[in-house]
Amino acid sequence: NAGVMQNPRHLVRRRGQEARLRCSPMKGHSHVYWYRQLPEEGLKFMVYLQKENIIDESGMPKERFSAEFPKEGPSILRIQQVVRGDSAAYFCASSPAGGREQYFGPGTRLTVT
Amino acid sequence: AQSVTQLGSHVSVSEGALVLLRCNYSSSVPPYLFWYVQYPNQGLQLLLKYTTGATLVKGINGFEAEFKKSETSFHLTKPSAHMSDAAEYFCAVSDGVMGYQKVTFGTGTKLQVIP
Repeated sequence: NAGVMQNPRHLVRRRGQEARLRCSPMKGHSHVYWYRQLPEEGLKFMVYLQKENIIDESGMPKERFSAEFPKEGPSILRIQQVVRGDSAAYFCASSPAGGREQYFGPGTRLTVT
Repeated sequence: AQSVTQLGSHVSVSEGALVLLRCNYSSSVPPYLFWYVQYPNQGLQLLLKYTTGATLVKGINGFEAEFKKSETSFHLTKPSAHMSDAAEYFCAVSDGVMGYQKVTFGTGTKLQVIP
């Protein structure tokens, strides 16, 4: 059973470009969480999704950031018009319905130049 | 609301010495508590977790943690440090209040092991 997959592992974007980060949860997991880790900081919750639904996006910046988890395919975290402050590691985690433990992917490290 | 405080952003121990990483939490309901380890440029790996039951929890790589409700603590220990333990460790809490496991992480403790 493959773990949580994230791609790309490393992403470089120029200021103003769009970044798309993908997360494929573990098989059988229907819940996805996105976290951001800024340099020298812990992980901060961004958004929690179930299939086709955003349940909690209280940690998402109000502008430029969006997330989806379609019925088919991976969850996508999209950052429009990236700025240098968006440079961070973005981690995805998944859990089964009712699960008490989240399983983390290896992360995508976004660098904005 | 829930929160986690990790005392000491950097801890250094000698190889073979006791490892003690401190974590205090705040939660409005009985919490679930976790310790994760992160090696450089990698994701998070679960070391151990407390949900209910026995308050002394054993994890991987010889680590263990004790849930102390009266002290709102969940400190991580290992009797004898190994060079491979050098990494960053995160304590985390979730309370299920929202109907799902929204996890709050501490700011992390970087463990250095000195030969």
